[in-house]
Amino acid sequence: QLQLQESGPGLVKPSETLSLTCSVSGRSVGSTSDYWAWIRQSPGKGLEWIGTVYSRASTYFNPSLKSRLTVSLDTSKNQFSLSLNSVTAADTAVYFCAMGTANNVFDFWGQGTLVTVAS
Amino acid sequence: SYELTQPPSVSVSPGQTARITCSEYKLGSKYVSWYQQRPGQSPLLVIFEDNKRPPGIPERFSGSNSGNTATLTISGTQTMDEADYFCQSWDSDTVIFGGGTKLTVL
Repeated sequence: QLQLQESGPGLVKPSETLSLTCSVSGRSVGSTSDYWAWIRQSPGKGLEWIGTVYSRASTYFNPSLKSRLTVSLDTSKNQFSLSLNSVTAADTAVYFCAMGTANNVFDFWGQGTLVTVAS
Repeated sequence: SYELTQPPSVSVSPGQTARITCSEYKLGSKYVSWYQQRPGQSPLLVIFEDNKRPPGIPERFSGSNSGNTATLTISGTQTMDEADYFCQSWDSDTVIFGGGTKLTVL
């Protein structure tokens, strides 16, 4: 059974780097048929796509976040990760990891983790 | 920039048909997906590639996409369908979500 679980600090100071990991079970992040994504949701707001990584190591990022963003795969640990630098309060959100198989559809989502940016 | 516009809210009586729209210029030329999000939960895919249902999604959920508008239709709406619904598509290698529609069943 496929499971995605986000993990990382729940509190990050302004100007520092937000780092999250998504642990995957039930499927290999190295699968060439799949892609893995980060999506966030600010409190009471809508969904915002952050970026997508493919097993071929190609990545696609939200243009508004691209300059601060790194997304990578770790096939040895069956995980993928997110790093967002120079954070501000506007980056406070629930961060979801998700998986898809075709046409930029997100078939399955993790439960999400709240990250608050505050001093 | 590419934006998907949804009505903030839709209300429907139990057993009736709910329709939630998602609009953008020439949206019909792209695939649209729909996600249901109940309070405190992560989004759940209910429609993909305009009108396909993932396994386990009830037949009362259907979708269409033509011209400038995609529509999620819930026939025989149940109280358990009360949730936020988000449309999603992509343009120029960028994934876009609609702002979401709160469906109230009362």
